[in-house]
Amino acid sequence: GENVEQHPSTLSVQEGDSAVIKCTYSDSASNYFPWYKQELGKRPQLIIDIRSNVGEKKDQRIAVTLNKTAKHFSLHITETQPEDSAVYFCAAHSLNLFFGTGTRLTVIP
Amino acid sequence: DGGITQSPKYLFRKEGQNVTLSCEQNLNHDAMYWYRQDPGQGLRLIYYSQIVNDFQKGDIAEGYSVSREKKESFPLTVTSAQKNPTAFYLCASSIRLAGSNTGELFFGEGSRLTVL
Repeated sequence: GENVEQHPSTLSVQEGDSAVIKCTYSDSASNYFPWYKQELGKRPQLIIDIRSNVGEKKDQRIAVTLNKTAKHFSLHITETQPEDSAVYFCAAHSLNLFFGTGTRLTVIP
Repeated sequence: DGGITQSPKYLFRKEGQNVTLSCEQNLNHDAMYWYRQDPGQGLRLIYYSQIVNDFQKGDIAEGYSVSREKKESFPLTVTSAQKNPTAFYLCASSIRLAGSNTGELFFGEGSRLTVL
């Protein structure tokens, strides 16, 4: 089955700086790559996703890039704010959705 | 906020007991899922169901059972055969489960099970 690796496991940035989280996947048939944000004590929620026919997608301060050849995709958050502090999960869809192990992002005011 | 509801939020169980976690959705979604969340291990798929009266094992199905008698409901039973059941359990649903068009997963608020 699919294997998704996510790095780093923890990330601390100063408010206003950028944050980058990287994921790799193993199954070349995977074609859908969502990112979920889970705030403390809350349910995971989709923040952005990308399909295999595009290389980059942006939504305000959030962007995702996909390199199908290298089988990796990344989440970029610019101008970070304290409310960006959460655990972020990447995922890859191959028959089912396989999640990475999560990145705990802390934005320091 | 509605959509997908899990109960109970917290549950304590003695070793050797089966427990059932409830998951109900009013989103008219075909597909439903159960994930287990452990620190440092992300979300691991236990079972999923694409349609009523049909369900499939995920990566860590051993010691768990499910049923899908109604479209809205997908209860998970943690049996005494599950060797390490203490965890946070998340139920989710999506419009469908089909190739690249799974779409967004909508999660419940989770159930935290502690085995004493």
